[in-house]
Amino acid sequence: DQQVKQNSPSLSVQEGRISILNCDYTNSMFDYFLWYKKYPAEGPTFLISISSIKDKNEDGRFTVFLNKSAKHLSLHIVPSQPGDSAVYFCAAPRSYSGGGADGLTFGKGTHLIIQP
Amino acid sequence: DTGVSQDPRHKITKRGQNVTFRCDPISEHNRLYWYRQTLGQGPEFLTYFQNEAQLEKSRLLSDRFSAERPKGSFSTLEIQRTEQGDSAMYLCASSRTSGRLGETQYFGPGTRLLVL
Repeated sequence: DQQVKQNSPSLSVQEGRISILNCDYTNSMFDYFLWYKKYPAEGPTFLISISSIKDKNEDGRFTVFLNKSAKHLSLHIVPSQPGDSAVYFCAAPRSYSGGGADGLTFGKGTHLIIQP
Repeated sequence: DTGVSQDPRHKITKRGQNVTFRCDPISEHNRLYWYRQTLGQGPEFLTYFQNEAQLEKSRLLSDRFSAERPKGSFSTLEIQRTEQGDSAMYLCASSRTSGRLGETQYFGPGTRLLVL
């Protein structure tokens, strides 16, 4: 049962343009979302997060938008650079206990390819 | 380097052998997580510790898998009688419990296991 879904396995964007990666979720109890970036043969690297009390969070070239009514979030990268080529994962905490998250549930990822 | 470290980075073993992986979390982090990632999938939660206590195990974690965190610092994940289906990237992550919102998990580079 995939509670976090990334329906685009890959996305190709020209260098300098905007990259938009999408993520849908089914569990309305999710209250925090994270985006991770992963290069081959490396572990995921934290990129940006957003709390459900916000609808936008920005960090440099990266902005995440959250639409709770649609259960949809998106990651915008502008301008896209060659080093952004990687697999991007959307994630949410599975549940909470003892004041912390009981692990994350991930989407399947979107492979972003930045073309020169 | 104060990030999460994992050892070994790669392991090739024959079916039926036992393997053990080690994870050293970020030093001030009290939560430690194990995930498994297979090709084309996002990381899947296996188990997590708060300090030395193992608080939850996924149904993905069969009886052949055991994890420990004896002193609340490093952790080991052992797979007994390995099967070819155990071939995957095993990822460790750590976090500092800071309340429900705003907790970020930081991942290590992973251990790539190949069972022949």
